[in-house]
Amino acid sequence: EAGVVQSPRYKIIEKKQPVAFWCNPISGHNTLYWYRQNLGQGPELLIRYENEEAVDDSQLPKDRFSAERLKGVDSTLKIQPAELGDSAVYLCASSLEDDRRNTEAFFGQGTRLTVV
Amino acid sequence: SQQGEEDPQALSIQEGENATMNCSYKTSINNLQWYRQNSGRGLVHLILIRSNEREKHSGRLRVTLDTSKKSSSLLITASRAADTASYFCATGTSGTYKYIFGTGTRLKVLA
Repeated sequence: EAGVVQSPRYKIIEKKQPVAFWCNPISGHNTLYWYRQNLGQGPELLIRYENEEAVDDSQLPKDRFSAERLKGVDSTLKIQPAELGDSAVYLCASSLEDDRRNTEAFFGQGTRLTVV
Repeated sequence: SQQGEEDPQALSIQEGENATMNCSYKTSINNLQWYRQNSGRGLVHLILIRSNEREKHSGRLRVTLDTSKKSSSLLITASRAADTASYFCATGTSGTYKYIFGTGTRLKVLA
């Protein structure tokens, strides 16, 4: 079974340019997460989807970041315009949440963004 | 914001030795998960322990959870050079499906 797939793996852009990341979660997983990981830090949650609904986007900088999960499957995360401080690894994860709320989250390889 | 805090931040041991890293957290949790991350790679899920469990084993890994102290430990026995990586704990907060990561322990196993 394929894991969480992210693309691109690497992206270098100039500041003020837009950028988009794509994530395909594990088939059947209803919950999708976008995390940002700065160098030497742990991942920080940006947004969480349950099916197609964004249920937690409190950490998403909404002035420049947007995300969508059409049909409750694939998701895209966009930054427009990018700033130097956005350089980080953007990780997507998915899980199958149930009533027990004790499930594993599986991560993709991430997209390493460098803003110059 | 990050809830968990791993201790130590960095650990260097010889191959064959045991490695112990700790995670402390702040709020009530449903579960706690440990992940491994090799340099420049994604996170690999290692083990999940539920809030009503105290200890769990998986191969050379042993995880304990003390909810009264809001802490967990990960023990890797008979370490190998391939265990060199960063290890993160992630807490599943009660009432949500949010997983909050700690700052990580960078483990280096010397051959």
